Amino acid sequence: GAVVSQHPSWVICKSGTSVKIECRSLDFQATTMFWYRQFPKQSLMLMATSNEGSKATYEQGVEKDKFLINHASLTLSTLTVTSAHPEDSSFYICSPHAGHHNEQFFGPGTRLTVL
Amino acid sequence: DAKTTQPPSMDCAEGRAANLPCNHSTISGNEYVYWYRQIHSQGPQYIIHGLKNNETNEMASLIITEDRKSSTLILPHATLRDTAVYYCIVSRPLSNFGNEKLTFGTGTRLTIIP
Repeated sequence: GAVVSQHPSWVICKSGTSVKIECRSLDFQATTMFWYRQFPKQSLMLMATSNEGSKATYEQGVEKDKFLINHASLTLSTLTVTSAHPEDSSFYICSPHAGHHNEQFFGPGTRLTVL
Repeated sequence: DAKTTQPPSMDCAEGRAANLPCNHSTISGNEYVYWYRQIHSQGPQYIIHGLKNNETNEMASLIITEDRKSSTLILPHATLRDTAVYYCIVSRPLSNFGNEKLTFGTGTRLTIIP
């Protein structure tokens, strides 16, 4: 399967700070990037979808000004959690997708803990 | 996308075949059945997918009923490393340039017993 990396794998930050999470597709070009989050003991929930060079489309209930997504290249996307609060503590998972793939691959995830 | 129903949890003895059922009675003709698993604190891992024929790869086999309203994922010789949450997802083809995306349900928590 495709190789996807996320950095950092975990991060602890103080309330009010911003955190940037990077997602890279290492062996294919991702025309689309999906960002999911997963709260403890819950399933993955899609946050937003972005296409390279375009603005992201956010799912209902996800604040676009709080979760900034940049998909400037076909191999790199970033998610910035701005002014993080404890309720933003979650497991964030990216999923880059090459349009012709009939599978969806996932990054290893980033665990964010906001104190 | 069609919804799926899976048992919340299952146990399987190590070395035995693990059979995970999934109901998707409202599946449409062009929707695939995808299986993913998520080991604790990791991203989901693709296992297998199929449309109507049975499929097999190095990880598992997928058996889809003739009416396509249900399927079974078979792990032929379960090991302790197969302990994970298994998700059965129905979706139109993902090779549609990002216009389709996977929606996760609650899955089946499979525990392999030594």
